[in-house]
Amino acid sequence: DTAVSQTPKYLVTQMGNDKSIKCEQNLGHDTMYWYKQDSKKFLKIMFSYNNKELIINETVPNRFSPKSPDKAHLNLHINSLELGDSAVYFCASSQVSGDTEAFFGQGTRLTVV
Amino acid sequence: GENVEQHPSTLSVQEGDSAVIKCTYSDSASNYFPWYKQELGKRPQLIIDIRSNVGEKKDQRIAVTLNKTAKHFSLHITETQPEDSAVYFCAASSSSASKIIFGSGTRLSIRP
Repeated sequence: DTAVSQTPKYLVTQMGNDKSIKCEQNLGHDTMYWYKQDSKKFLKIMFSYNNKELIINETVPNRFSPKSPDKAHLNLHINSLELGDSAVYFCASSQVSGDTEAFFGQGTRLTVV
Repeated sequence: GENVEQHPSTLSVQEGDSAVIKCTYSDSASNYFPWYKQELGKRPQLIIDIRSNVGEKKDQRIAVTLNKTAKHFSLHITETQPEDSAVYFCAASSSSASKIIFGSGTRLSIRP
């Protein structure tokens, strides 16, 4: 059983489109995250949710809107996609907020053309 | 907020030799320091972690050290093998911060 799963794995889309990435974890964790990994491999925190509540928003443009319908799901919707949004997006979860192991999904490679 | 610096950005070692990756952190409230390995095209996965009440931890060929006073922590890999080739990330976090901050990564290559 996959612990943290995200879909799709690959996403190619044109500038200006709106797209969503879905994430689900079956570990019973309370905290979920979205990270962005750019071409230089930097892993940058975007959002942190604890029990469906937004805890951290790291100055991400408001074109990015996370949604957590329940604590096992954290989806990411992106409006008006730009070339600079091209990256690998990782969902992750941890048992408690911050100071325990984070388990990552397989990543979604987003390419904006 | 927390800032984690990691060096070197690339590291090439002969198979069988040791590799050392160093990190520094800025937030004295950080109390959890995990290390992740990311193979090409794969997700980051935890390989070892250390908490601020411990100075050193070892797991087979991998060891981590932590100097709280200097805000330094390091990853040591001994007897390196080809499968150790990957990008390694250090990270720092605390329960109050609600996030894990990653270093910039070290691309480790093992020469046969």
